Amino acid sequence: QVVLQESGPGLVKASQTLSLTCGVSGGSINSGNYYWSWIRQPAGKGLEWIGRIYASGYTNYTPSLKSRVILSLDASKNQFYLKLTSVTAADTAVYYCARGRGSAPGTSPSRFYYYYMDVWGKGTTVTVSS
Amino acid sequence: SYELTQPPSVSVSPGQTATISCSGDKLDEAYVYWYHQKPGQSPVLVIYQDTRRPSGIPERFSGSNSGNTATLTISGTQSTDEGDYYCQAWDTSTYVVFGGGTKLTVL
Repeated sequence: QVVLQESGPGLVKASQTLSLTCGVSGGSINSGNYYWSWIRQPAGKGLEWIGRIYASGYTNYTPSLKSRVILSLDASKNQFYLKLTSVTAADTAVYYCARGRGSAPGTSPSRFYYYYMDVWGKGTTVTVSS
Repeated sequence: SYELTQPPSVSVSPGQTATISCSGDKLDEAYVYWYHQKPGQSPVLVIYQDTRRPSGIPERFSGSNSGNTATLTISGTQSTDEGDYYCQAWDTSTYVVFGGGTKLTVL
């Protein structure tokens, strides 16, 4: 059974870079046709998808954050990472990592294109302070 | 950008059927997914690819997707089904899109 665990600083100063790690246990980050995603949720609000990375390094980012986000992974450590630059108070949220299942990278969108997150970490709270 | 719209709240009596809608332009041209989130916990996938249930999800959870609306149906609703429900779809420009969430109350 795959388990994901987020880790990183709980407090980040405004204008600095938020860096989080997601450790994967119970399975290899390289095995299977999986993506590895980050999602966040401000207190009392809904879910916001940040982006995903495939084992090959293929990435997609949500347009609203694309200029500030970098996802990466280290298969030797079975971990993947989120970096969010130039943070503001609006980036304060619970950050989740999740395993994604979807159509292979580069697949042309169609009615049968699919992507969803089937295993989630417990989440980690990040507060941006001024 | 693509948007998914859900009702903010739905109430149901124990044992009755709860239905939660998710609306979006030509939504049936994409798969829809549903997640259940209890307070203080991470989301759990309950429906994928419109109608399929992951292993371990009770049969009382079902989904449909037609036209501009996808629906999550919970038959014989139990108190453990309370929480927030989010629909999700894939859009070619926005990628993963979530609905705003629906708070289900069992009373």
